Amino acid sequence: AQKITQTQPGMFVQEKEAVTLDCTYDTSDQSYGLFWYKQPSSGEMIFLIYQGSYDEQNATEGRYSLNFQKARKSANLVISASQLGDSAMYFCAMRDRSYPGANNLFFGTGTRLTVIP
Amino acid sequence: NAGVTQTPKFQVLKTGQSMTLQCAQDMNHNSMYWYRQDPGMGLRLIYYSASEGTTDKGEVPNGYNVSRLNKREFSLRLESAAPSQTSVYFCASSEDTGVKGNQPQHFGDGTRLSIL
Repeated sequence: AQKITQTQPGMFVQEKEAVTLDCTYDTSDQSYGLFWYKQPSSGEMIFLIYQGSYDEQNATEGRYSLNFQKARKSANLVISASQLGDSAMYFCAMRDRSYPGANNLFFGTGTRLTVIP
Repeated sequence: NAGVTQTPKFQVLKTGQSMTLQCAQDMNHNSMYWYRQDPGMGLRLIYYSASEGTTDKGEVPNGYNVSRLNKREFSLRLESAAPSQTSVYFCASSEDTGVKGNQPQHFGDGTRLSIL
């Protein structure tokens, strides 16, 4: 069975500073994919970044980067130069191979990030 | 660019009432999904449809039915609503696994459902 663990229910960061949101995962698959989504207070789910298990480089998308440590089974999200608009819930998710034929995702419980002016 | 559209955005039901949540996507995706989100928990898969004409159960299917009406539309029905089904419901769509395994799911804005 696959599992995603996000151990930080809440995090605070000063505006313009960097912050790391933790995510560990458990899977017996060799091929897997990890995703991060942002959920602002308005409720929508916004895709941020993807990391494949065979990707040699850590994924980056603008101010978002993924610190992927395969041996430790961790895929931490790093947000650089935090902005007030980054305040939101952040979810780590893994491709769920329990349901073949579709790109189902298994989600962690989320981390609420608050950016302090 | 509409993406994934869910209706309604809010709904209050009484126990035992039925209703259908509607979802439509305009991205020509084959796969569609219904999730529920409860406080303190991540999203949990209710049902999914890997392609038009197919539907399958997810992690928490009890009390729900789905219909993949066509490639664009995937509806979720509560036949006899219960207070335990009070939740925020998200519809999502994605490319096939066979196309690219790194394709994200695209989500609608959610339906906030309260059952009294």
